[in-house]
Amino acid sequence: EDKVVQSPLSLVVHEGDTVTLNCSYEVTNFRSLLWYKQEKKAPTFLFMLTSSGIEKKSGRLSSILDKKELFSILNITATQTGDSAVYLCAVGNNYGQNFVFGPGTRLSVLP
Amino acid sequence: EAEVAQSPRYKITEKSQAVAFWCDPISGHATLYWYRQILGQGPELLVQFQDESVVDDSQLPKDRFSAERLKGVDSTLKIQPAELGDSAMYLCASSSFRQGNYGYTFGSGTRLTVV
Repeated sequence: EDKVVQSPLSLVVHEGDTVTLNCSYEVTNFRSLLWYKQEKKAPTFLFMLTSSGIEKKSGRLSSILDKKELFSILNITATQTGDSAVYLCAVGNNYGQNFVFGPGTRLSVLP
Repeated sequence: EAEVAQSPRYKITEKSQAVAFWCDPISGHATLYWYRQILGQGPELLVQFQDESVVDDSQLPKDRFSAERLKGVDSTLKIQPAELGDSAMYLCASSSFRQGNYGYTFGSGTRLTVV
C-alpha cells in the first residue's frame, strides 16, 4: 500500500526564518510527487516533481526530489505571515491516476 | 483561469439525514475525484471517475455513500444516512492526463458538519 509521511507535523517560526519541510514515501512504480499549500480552503498546487536532483523554484519556495532515498523537501526562505498554511505532499504511481496524500505540515509564521 | 466548481460551500445536517454535494469539473477534464479531508489530516480518496465510469471506489463506504457522474461531466456525492463521523471537508478535483498533466485542480470544497 502506498504511503506518504511528512515531518514535522507542525512548525512555528518567525518572519524571516527559513524552513524545510520533509516528505518521505513508499510507492510502487513511482510516477510523480506533488506539493500543495492549503490555507482555509482547497489545496493549491505548488510543484510537481518527477526527476531526481532537479530543483523546482518559485519565488521564495523551492523543492527537490530524491528518488533513490524516496523523499522530497520543500524549502521556504525569508518566511512571511502569508506562508502560514498546511503544506501537503502527495505521490502518484503509474498504475492509476490518483495520488496518496500525506497528513500535511502545519506551518505557522509569527510576525 | 478555469476552476472546479463545488456546492454548497457549507452544509450542516442532523445525523441520519441525507446530504448531497455537487461538483462541476474543469471543461474537458475526463478524470474526476472526490476526496474527504478530516480536520488535521490529508485528503483521502473516496472515488475516482474516468468519464462516466468508476475507476476506483475501494475506499468509499458503500453502505451509506454513493457517487455518480451520469453524463461524464458533473458529479454528485451523496451520504445517506449521515453520521457524526462524516463531518469533514469534501473536496472535488479534476484532471486531464491526456494533456500530460500529472497533477490536478481542486475545487473549494464543501465543509460538512453533522450534528
